[in-house]
Amino acid sequence: DAKTTQPNSMESNEEEPVHLPCNHSTISGTDYIHWYRQLPSQGPEYVIHGLTSNVNNRMASLAIAEDRKSSTLILHRATLRDAAVYYCTGDNYGQNFVFGPGTRLSVLP
Amino acid sequence: DTGVSQDPRHKITKRGQNVTFRCDPISEHNRLYWYRQTLGQGPEFLTYFQNEAQLEKSRLLSDRFSAERPKGSFSTLEIQRTEQGDSAMYLCASSSPFTVQYFGPGTRLTVT
Repeated sequence: DAKTTQPNSMESNEEEPVHLPCNHSTISGTDYIHWYRQLPSQGPEYVIHGLTSNVNNRMASLAIAEDRKSSTLILHRATLRDAAVYYCTGDNYGQNFVFGPGTRLSVLP
Repeated sequence: DTGVSQDPRHKITKRGQNVTFRCDPISEHNRLYWYRQTLGQGPEFLTYFQNEAQLEKSRLLSDRFSAERPKGSFSTLEIQRTEQGDSAMYLCASSSPFTVQYFGPGTRLTVT
């Protein structure tokens, strides 16, 4: 299983960019890197995923290191609604189900 | 609302009682997962189904836990002889093969 490590918590000011790092040094070559986030009292929700190339969607960008041992989730302009716990996980499309404790992101007005 | 529903949302039970939770996945998803989440931790994988077949079970799933997915649609997770350590959020997720998982809102179990 791909083990991931993330900082326990991070803080950002509203409207500022946020870079959330994740180390996944044991990830296999076929594991996609997935990011989910969990708002209070809700189940996790999908944010973004990628294999080797950087990815963008309407929620965020994902920058993947060339050696794939780390990645960074980028929220371009943090809003108060982005305050959540963010999880990165290596996921071979349902064959790998390891979530760490994640990073609790606080967004300050 | 992701389209995955769970029932009940909250359950309080006394130690030693049996409880059953239900998950209704997104209808076109043939994969269904169960996770357990305790305070301050990420979701821990329990088991997953592809259609009606239970393909993998975690060592966390003791013999007091059983999950079924008859006909490959909804799924139930039963815990027999509940213990205080079973208090947690139980999450269900569904997906199509090779796509991301969509999580339900969870069932919060409190064992007193």
